[in-house]
Amino acid sequence: EVQLVESGGGLVQPGRSLRLSCAASGFTFDDYAMHWVRQAPGKGLEWVSGINWNSVNIDYADSVKGRFTISRDNAKKSLYLQMNSLRAEDMALYYCAKDYGSGSYPQVSHFDHWGQGTLVTVSS
Amino acid sequence: SYVLTQPPSMSVAPGQTAKISCGGHNIGSKNVHWYQQKPGQAPVLVVYKDSDRPSGIPERVSGSNSGNTATLTISRVEAGDEADYYCQVWDSSSYVFGTGTKVTVL
Repeated sequence: EVQLVESGGGLVQPGRSLRLSCAASGFTFDDYAMHWVRQAPGKGLEWVSGINWNSVNIDYADSVKGRFTISRDNAKKSLYLQMNSLRAEDMALYYCAKDYGSGSYPQVSHFDHWGQGTLVTVSS
Repeated sequence: SYVLTQPPSMSVAPGQTAKISCGGHNIGSKNVHWYQQKPGQAPVLVVYKDSDRPSGIPERVSGSNSGNTATLTISRVEAGDEADYYCQVWDSSSYVFGTGTKVTVL
């Protein structure tokens, strides 16, 4: 059974940093691309960042480019999101999501498994 | 940036058919995926690549895509179908979600 467990969320002041983690199990982690998707309270889904199986291809939403860094450790079966210079508009539930494929064909990419999310609150 | 537009809400009686639209420029040329999200839960993939269903999704859930509109169809609607539904595509190195549709079962 695929399991994705996020951690690292919490209350942080504007301008500060936070690092999210996602522990994966139940599948061959290094065969698949992975993503972070967020959802602000009462709002819709927003893709944040994605990384292919070998970390060669990485993309970011314009809203976080230059502030967030995605990475993965295939040996530890873990996905990370380093979030710097946090803003009030970054406050959201952050989901870790598994891609259906390795990331080689993004045109057909979709998210076939999701974690339960970790909440990031940005407030002074 | 690419925009996907969905109706904010719709209501449907049990046993009837719900058709949820997702509008985007020339969306028929893209692969469209659909997610169901119930309150307090993570999204669940219900249709991928326009019309394929993951294992465990009933046949009464189907998808289509042509021109400027993709559609998720839920036949014989049940109380358990009450949820938010999001379409999603890939465009120019970015993954785009629709605005979401809240489906209420009367």
